[in-house]
Amino acid sequence: GAGVSQSPSNKVTEKGKDVELRCDPISGHTALYWYRQSLGQGLEFLIYFQGNSAPDKSGLPSDRFSAERTGGSVSTLTIQRTQQEDSAVYLCASGATGGIGELFFGEGSRLTVL
Amino acid sequence: QKEVEQDPGPLSVPEGAIVSLNCTYSNSAFQYFMWYRQYSRKGPELLMYTYSSGNKEDGRFTAQVDKSSKYISLFIRDSQPSDSATYLCAMSAYGAQKLVFGQGTRLTINP
Repeated sequence: GAGVSQSPSNKVTEKGKDVELRCDPISGHTALYWYRQSLGQGLEFLIYFQGNSAPDKSGLPSDRFSAERTGGSVSTLTIQRTQQEDSAVYLCASGATGGIGELFFGEGSRLTVL
Repeated sequence: QKEVEQDPGPLSVPEGAIVSLNCTYSNSAFQYFMWYRQYSRKGPELLMYTYSSGNKEDGRFTAQVDKSSKYISLFIRDSQPSDSATYLCAMSAYGAQKLVFGQGTRLTINP
C-alpha cells in the first residue's frame, strides 16, 4: 500500500490478556516508530527501529511491553498481561531519515482494556 | 517538567480569524521543529518543518522559531472550518532519532 498500515484498528480485551498490534511501514523506509496517544496526553514515544541497528527501547513503560521488527519491515508491538492504564491509541510511523525528517503515521490501533 | 509544553486548549475561533498556536521547550539541543496536524481518528500528518530559528511560510500557514526564548509558533491566516483538527508541535535534536511531541492543541473553526 501507499501508506503506513496498522491492524487491528480497534481492539477490546480483558485485563490480563496479551495483545499484539501490527504495523506495516511504507516500503523502503528504514526508520519505524511506535508512539502511544492517550486522551489529552499527546504522543508518548515507545520504541524506535532503524535498519539493522539495535532498537531504542527507552520509551517502553514496563517489561510487559515489547516490540520486534522482522526483516526490516513489519513490526509487532506486544503488550502482555494488559492493564486498564494501557488503554490508548497506539500509533506507528515510518520515515526515510529518522527523527530529523518527516514521519508518516498510520491511523493507529485503538486499544481498550476492560 | 515535560521537554515540550503545549496548551491543549480547546481553542474555538470564527472562520476567517487568525489563529496562533504555540509551544515552549526546555532542551536547547532541539534544532528541528515541526507541526503535525491530526484529524479525528486519523494519524498525524506533517504540516510544517523548520530547521533552527526563523520563519517559514506555506500558503495560509506560517511557522516561527525563536530559539533564544525556546518558543515556537504556528499561525493560520484566514482560518477555514477544514482547519479544525488537533495541532501537535514536535522537535528533535541534531543526530537524535526521537521526535518529541507536545500535548497537542485541539482547534475548532466555526463557520
